[in-house]
Amino acid sequence: GDSVTQREGPVTLSEEAFLTINCTYTATGYPSLFWYVQYPGEGLQLLLKATKADDKGSNKGFEATYRKETTSFHLEKGSVQVSDSAVYFCALSDTGANSKLTFGKGITLSVRP
Amino acid sequence: DVKVTQSSRYLVKRTGEKVFLECVQDMDHENMFWYRQDPGLGLRLIYFSYDVKMKEKGDIPEGYSVSREKKERFSLILESASTNQTSMYLCASKGTDPLNYGYTFGSGTRLTVV
Repeated sequence: GDSVTQREGPVTLSEEAFLTINCTYTATGYPSLFWYVQYPGEGLQLLLKATKADDKGSNKGFEATYRKETTSFHLEKGSVQVSDSAVYFCALSDTGANSKLTFGKGITLSVRP
Repeated sequence: DVKVTQSSRYLVKRTGEKVFLECVQDMDHENMFWYRQDPGLGLRLIYFSYDVKMKEKGDIPEGYSVSREKKERFSLILESASTNQTSMYLCASKGTDPLNYGYTFGSGTRLTVV
């Protein structure tokens, strides 16, 4: 079945540091890929998505590129802020009308001032 | 904006109780989902529904059932709550418009079973 693998966490960075969070996937067909973020005490929000190979999703300074050859969708940000402290989930979904999301385990990011 | 509303933010129930978690969406979405979120395990799919009165088991359906009598409402039922069902429960909905495969999540219900 489909699966998503994220690196083990948590991750602690200083403000303005460069961020990379790895995500690889296993799926049949051509899934859509997502990054969701969950800020403390809040629900899940879509951060960015990509629906086909070589697409780049971007939002709030975060970027991720759909790499079919390496089955990866790594999340990057050039300069993190304290307000980026949250839990980040990578997920995939097939593109049928009756699709569903499969999530990775999530990784907690803490950014120090 | 699409809204997915979960009826309770926090619940405390006793072992053996029958528990209902309610979820309502206001965008006429066909698909609805129940996930549970646990630290280190991410979100795991419990049940989902593609249409009224239809339901499909997800990855961890044991100990749960669901009801979808109306399109906008998807209920998760814990027939006899146990302490290992203490968790955060998240509901989501999605339309089938091929131009907009967007999932929208509710704020979650944190259930504690004592």
